[in-house]
Amino acid sequence: ILNVEQSPQSLHVQEGDSTNFTCSFPSSNFYALHWYRWETAKSPEALFVMTLNGDEKKKGRISATLNTKEGYSYLYIKGSQPEDSATYLCAENQAGTALIFGKGTTLSVSS
Amino acid sequence: DVKVTQSSRYLVKRTGEKVFLECVQDMDHENMFWYRQDPGLGLRLIYFSYDVKMKEKGDIPEGYSVSREKKERFSLILESASTNQTSMYLCASSLNRRGSPLHFGNGTRLTVT
Repeated sequence: ILNVEQSPQSLHVQEGDSTNFTCSFPSSNFYALHWYRWETAKSPEALFVMTLNGDEKKKGRISATLNTKEGYSYLYIKGSQPEDSATYLCAENQAGTALIFGKGTTLSVSS
Repeated sequence: DVKVTQSSRYLVKRTGEKVFLECVQDMDHENMFWYRQDPGLGLRLIYFSYDVKMKEKGDIPEGYSVSREKKERFSLILESASTNQTSMYLCASSLNRRGSPLHFGNGTRLTVT
């Protein structure tokens, strides 16, 4: 993997559904993995920064895991709500470089 | 809370004009970044700076330059605006290089006609 890749590109779920997205990244020279939420008409906001293999972080109904050996991270949303509708970005921080972003997963939650 | 302020929310310029996009952060962050966001392409890094008077090229620096004369201010310059530079421009800052999260401005929607 040469770039940061996210899947799926977009997702539509019903209120109350749980969902997850994937971020794949180059695992050599890894330093940190970031997740951001970007709501329409707002600026991206940081959700998590993870640095260690096996890291798990949680904020309310949203959690993330990190596997640096195989180069992937999952973002989970439990019991999706309409206010969770946003684009979720992951970004890799390799040692000595700036963040490189994936193209994002756009989540739409219907009530 | 960290505040990153971009000088304009919307900007319309003509082809060939020199364009300045200004960004100011108020939390003494070391690092500042300029990204552009285009549909289907995600956030792409144009330039970044780890210190005053220091700059590094990102993935798409062509047609752009930057200036960081003071720690709190990072300017993006389009030397001669072209229509393919029509985009959303996002400025961000972070405390340091050691995994600090980015704090973004609200973005500048630039249209070059």
